[in-house]
Amino acid sequence: DAGVIQSPRHEVTEMGQEVTLRCKPISGHNSLFWYRQTMMRGLELLIYFNNNVPIDDSGMPEDRFSAKMPNASFSTLKIQPSEPRDSAVYFCASIRGNSPLHFGNGTRLTVT
Amino acid sequence: AQSVAQPEDQVNVAEGNPLTVKCTYSVSGNPYLFWYVQYPNRGLQFLLKYITGDNLVKGSYGFEAEFNKSQTSFHLKKPSALVSDSALYFCAVRDRGSQGNLIFGKGTKLSVKP
Repeated sequence: DAGVIQSPRHEVTEMGQEVTLRCKPISGHNSLFWYRQTMMRGLELLIYFNNNVPIDDSGMPEDRFSAKMPNASFSTLKIQPSEPRDSAVYFCASIRGNSPLHFGNGTRLTVT
Repeated sequence: AQSVAQPEDQVNVAEGNPLTVKCTYSVSGNPYLFWYVQYPNRGLQFLLKYITGDNLVKGSYGFEAEFNKSQTSFHLKKPSALVSDSALYFCAVRDRGSQGNLIFGKGTKLSVKP
């Protein structure tokens, strides 16, 4: 099992540009989570999906952020337009039932 | 509302000494409890969990945690620390009625000195 796969590992972009982060969950997992980690705020849940359906997006900072899960093996988190304060490490994680949450290695986003 | 508190930002321990990383939680009903570890430039890795049964849970790398319902605590322990245990540790809780969402604490940085 390759684990949760996130791409890219690093992204550097200029303010105002669109950023798309990608995640492939573990096969057979039916829930997917997007987290953001910063020094100031720690680990924050942005949104999670259950069976490809968004369940709770209350953590999404504002309308500039959007997430999709078109099928069970792929999800995207998009920021448009990006701002310097969006700089953080973004993690994707997946789970099946009551098993432990499995995290990807994250995407480090830097917005200049 | 569910919450997790890790009262220490950092714990410093000498190699070979026992270590404890504290966690308390607030959740309605009976929770599932977890510990995760994060090494630099990596995602969080599962260490151990409490679901039901024995209050002392053993996990990876020699770590264990004790569930204390009366004190609503789930402290992480290890009898003899290693330098390689130095990392960021997160406690997490999930309400049994939820669909999988975990609430994480802010994390505790463990530093083990030789």
